[in-house]
Amino acid sequence: EPEVTQTPSHQVTQMGQEVILRCVPISNHLYFYWYRQILGQKVEFLVSFYNNEISEKSEIFDDQFSVERPDGSNFTLKIRSTKLEDSAMYFCASSGGAGVYGYTFGSGTRLTVV
Amino acid sequence: DQQVKQNSPSLSVQEGRISILNCDYTNSMFDYFLWYKKYPAEGPTFLISISSIKDKNEDGRFTVFLNKSAKHLSLHIVPSQPGDSAVYFCAAILTSYGKLTFGQGTILTVHP
Repeated sequence: EPEVTQTPSHQVTQMGQEVILRCVPISNHLYFYWYRQILGQKVEFLVSFYNNEISEKSEIFDDQFSVERPDGSNFTLKIRSTKLEDSAMYFCASSGGAGVYGYTFGSGTRLTVV
Repeated sequence: DQQVKQNSPSLSVQEGRISILNCDYTNSMFDYFLWYKKYPAEGPTFLISISSIKDKNEDGRFTVFLNKSAKHLSLHIVPSQPGDSAVYFCAAILTSYGKLTFGQGTILTVHP
């Protein structure tokens, strides 16, 4: 079964450093998403990406965050100048079309900011 | 943002019995609802979905019921198995936008 792959599974970084979280979506999917889950809280939408541009972003997704699809397979989330409160599980997801078709999540990257 | 709420943080059920997980929403524009199962340190795994134009969808042991007038949906698992023990998230989507709005999750424990 096709999978969404995320690397690394765990990233520890110093406060103020930049991190890049990587995702390989399912190959024929067109819509890409990042979500995060702070420990003990709900899964929250960060950003959606389609046709090489951001289609929607949440209030959380401020200037500290950026996304990129640098080639035909990877989808990255960059967090500049990390803060302690950025510590969370970050999930990438992809879907084959608008809506629920094949909406699949990766297993996540645990980001710990110290 | 409390557009999707799961008011029960946990549920404990005996193996073989029915598990009923509940979810309420406020935005009547949502046109699809989904249930995800999640284990620690893993991503949400899709279980079952229902369109807003339906009131029931069934897939094996899993059935989702939608009551649009009450803005309420529920997931029934029959019979419950110990392997069903996990966190269950309800999510809603406005398909033209694509983002999922999640509830807080319910921890289901199925005892042998």
